[in-house]
Amino acid sequence: DAGVIQSPRHEVTEMGQEVTLRCKPISGHNSLFWYRQTMMRGLELLIYFNNNVPIDDSGMPEDRFSAKMPNASFSTLKIQPSEPRDSAVYFCASSSQGRTDTQYFGPGTRLTVL
Amino acid sequence: AQKVTQAQTEISVVEKEDVTLDCVYETRDTTYYLFWYKQPPSGELVFLIRRNSFDEQNEISGRYSWNFQKSTSSFNFTITASQVVDSAVYFCALSEASAGANSKLTFGKGITLSVRP
Repeated sequence: DAGVIQSPRHEVTEMGQEVTLRCKPISGHNSLFWYRQTMMRGLELLIYFNNNVPIDDSGMPEDRFSAKMPNASFSTLKIQPSEPRDSAVYFCASSSQGRTDTQYFGPGTRLTVL
Repeated sequence: AQKVTQAQTEISVVEKEDVTLDCVYETRDTTYYLFWYKQPPSGELVFLIRRNSFDEQNEISGRYSWNFQKSTSSFNFTITASQVVDSAVYFCALSEASAGANSKLTFGKGITLSVRP
């Protein structure tokens, strides 16, 4: 079975540009999570969707970040405008039943903002 | 508030040694879930195990074993006869059930394990 799919795997952009990260969860999973990993802060939950509805976006750093899940098989995380401090690895994860269930992670997108 | 502490930051062993990675957690819930994830140098996060708070049986999977002790709030992970491929960052994580929609998966800081040939 296919795992969580993320694209792109690497993204290098310049400050001020818009960045869109994409995620396809495991088929049949109804919960989707976006995380950010940095050396300083470790793994942070940015936003959590259940049945395509955002349930908790308290981890989204600021208005420059937005996330959507238009259907059960696709989600995007957008940063506009990007800043150098947004450089991190962004992971998408999915689970079959919410936050207490096992979350399976995608390979991550390494974002570098110059 | 829930918290996961991985006091060891880096461990270095020689191949074939046994190594134990410690995890101590804090929670007020009676129902909670504990996890271990592995992050190899390639960067992906690989799920290893999930245990619920009502199941204190130790688990063994090949060279991996887990020791869950509620009395000490610990969920330690032992690798027997370590191999170079075990070199990775290992994360322990906790999720509380009673928080419902507000439940979060809280990760520890991770332990970097280096296995030398």
